[in-house]
Amino acid sequence: AQSVTQLDSHVSVSEGTPVLLRCNYSSSYSPSLFWYVQHPNKGLQLLLKYTSAATLVKGINGFEAEFKKSETSFHLTKPSAHMSDAAEYFCVVSDQNSGYSTLTFGKGTMLLVSP
Amino acid sequence: DGGITQSPKYLFRKEGQNVTLSCEQNLNHDAMYWYRQDPGQGLRLIYYSQIVNDFQKGDIAEGYSVSREKKESFPLTVTSAQKNPTAFYLCARRETAHNSPLHFGNGTRLTVT
Repeated sequence: AQSVTQLDSHVSVSEGTPVLLRCNYSSSYSPSLFWYVQHPNKGLQLLLKYTSAATLVKGINGFEAEFKKSETSFHLTKPSAHMSDAAEYFCVVSDQNSGYSTLTFGKGTMLLVSP
Repeated sequence: DGGITQSPKYLFRKEGQNVTLSCEQNLNHDAMYWYRQDPGQGLRLIYYSQIVNDFQKGDIAEGYSVSREKKESFPLTVTSAQKNPTAFYLCARRETAHNSPLHFGNGTRLTVT
C-alpha cells in the first residue's frame, strides 16, 4: 500500500523569501513522485516528477524537490517566492507495483505569499 | 490545455437530473481518469479507463457512470443517485502506468440545487 502526507495544510511566506512545502510518502516498491500546483478554479499543473533517476529534480517556475529515501520525503522548495506562486500544491505518489489506478494524492498545501 | 479539454467550465442543474460532463484528449493516450475535488479532501478517483470499451471503478464510483466508445473521449455522467454531486470535477490523461504523470484538464464546476 502507498500513502502520502503533506505535513502542512497552509504555509505563509513573504515575497522574496524561500519556500518549503513538505511531503512524506510510504510505498512498498520503488515510487514515482510528483508535485502539482493548482490555481483557483483551474486544473492541476505538473511542476516536477521523480522517476528513479537523479534524486534532485528541477521543475518549472524555479521549483525543485529532493528525493530522500532514508527519510521517505520529497519536499518541494523554491529559493525566492513570487506573488504568482500563491496556490495549492499537491504531492502524489505512484509505486512500481501499481496499475493505472493507484496514484495517491496528498490533501494539499495552500501557499500564501504576502508582499 | 495540455492536450485535454473539459467542458463546460461551469454547470448548474436541478436536483434529480442527470448531467454529463465532457472530456476530450487529442494526444492518443490510452489512459483517462475522472477525479472529484472537494475543499480539504484532495482528489478522489471516480472512474478510470485504460483502453477503449473498458473502464474501472475508482474509490467513489457510486452515483456516477462513464463510457469509453472512442479513445479521445471519456464522458462522465453524474446521475440523480449521487447524493452530493456539487463539486469540482477533473479529467486527466496518462501515457503509461507507474512513472508517467497525469495531465489534467481545467475542470468542470458542477452545482446542483
